[in-house]
Formats: sequence, structure tokens, C-alpha cells
Amino acid sequence: DGGITQSPKYLFRKEGQNVTLSCEQNLNHDAMYWYRQDPGQGLRLIYYSQIVNDFQKGDIAEGYSVSREKKESFPLTVTSAQKNPTAFYLCASSSSWDRGVYGYTFGSGTRLTVV
Amino acid sequence: QKEVEQDPGPLSVPEGAIVSLNCTYSNSAFQYFMWYRQYSRKGPELLMYTYSSGNKEDGRFTAQVDKSSKYISLFIRDSQPSDSATYLCAMTAGNKLTFGGGTRVLVKP
Repeated sequence: DGGITQSPKYLFRKEGQNVTLSCEQNLNHDAMYWYRQDPGQGLRLIYYSQIVNDFQKGDIAEGYSVSREKKESFPLTVTSAQKNPTAFYLCASSSSWDRGVYGYTFGSGTRLTVV
Repeated sequence: QKEVEQDPGPLSVPEGAIVSLNCTYSNSAFQYFMWYRQYSRKGPELLMYTYSSGNKEDGRFTAQVDKSSKYISLFIRDSQPSDSATYLCAMTAGNKLTFGGGTRVLVKP
């Protein structure tokens, strides 16, 4: 079945550590996205990538980094510079032809907790 | 002020009732409107999308858009306990997707 796989499901990070969240899709989608979800605030865009080897900052990119070396993969690194990283992180993808106007496909998310 | 406003709820209804959800928005450039359903600890899934003002029906779900009032609604008829989830509205301007904060719905048996 086609879809998006995020791992791990739960992740714990110590203060000062960098952690990397994995996102893999087999939908042959060109565009991929990372969102952060906090209670009552909806989804906020961190980074997005329309094609391989290219990505742009979203609304809240500070303290995060990404790479897009393969079409299928779009890992997100939460760096120690991110002051409040505890949140639910969602990866999504869309076909390039519609630019997501008909909606995105989401993964099941990674819950990151700073301990 | 947020571009998209959505009442966080929770909205509690008895099984079989009609669930009424809505969002207001401020950006007149929004063209496509979507509703997502999100179960606890899961990613959102697309329920419906619409482009023009008016109604769109899909089974028990009806999406309504009023561009003149910058107001969209989702109605769920004959609600079931399995409809208990958070419902997020979303809308696009160009290729940027903006989400509302979500409304938590609880359908009680």
C-alpha cells in the first residue's frame, strides 16, 4: 500500500541534543512537508521541498534543518537551538501537479518529548 | 489575528445527532477549502475538498463554502461514536496550505 512512514513514533531528547525524525513515502510524490502540531494551534509549517535537492523554510524553521537527497525521503533534524521542541511532528506529501490544492497525505506522526 | 479561526471545542453530541463545524478566514486569496479528520495520535486524513461557494455532499458529510462571508462549514449527519475525532479545516492560497486549530468532537453512544 502507498503511504508515508514516519519513525520513530515516540522520541525522547535530552536538553542540548540533536535528533532526527525520519519520513519516507512511496507515493511517488514530488513535494514533501514537515509540520509541527501543538495543542489548540493547528499545524504550522516548518520546511517544505518541491523537488529533490531543494527545500524552503516554512513559518517556523528556526532550530530545525532538513535534507532532500532522495525523492522518497525527507528527514527533519531538531537541533539544540530549538527552544521548545516538545510537540507532535507530522510529515506530508503531495503530487507536484496540483501543488497540494486537493490536500496532502500525512504520516502518523512522531511525538517528541524533551526530558 | 490568525488567518483561519476555528473553535477548539470540545463539541459533545449524542449518537445520531448532526455535528456542525465551521471556520472563518480573513484572507480573500484562499481558493481551495478542505476538511481533515484526525484521530488521537494519528496524522490528519482528508475528508473533503471544495473550490467554489456552495455545498458539496459525500455520504454523511456536507461541506459548505460562503466566500462572500469568508466562512466554511462541515456537517456530519447521523453521527457515530467513530466520528469522535478532531476536525481541521484547511485552505490554500497559491501552494501554501493554512490550517485552522481544529475542533475536537465527541459523539456519545
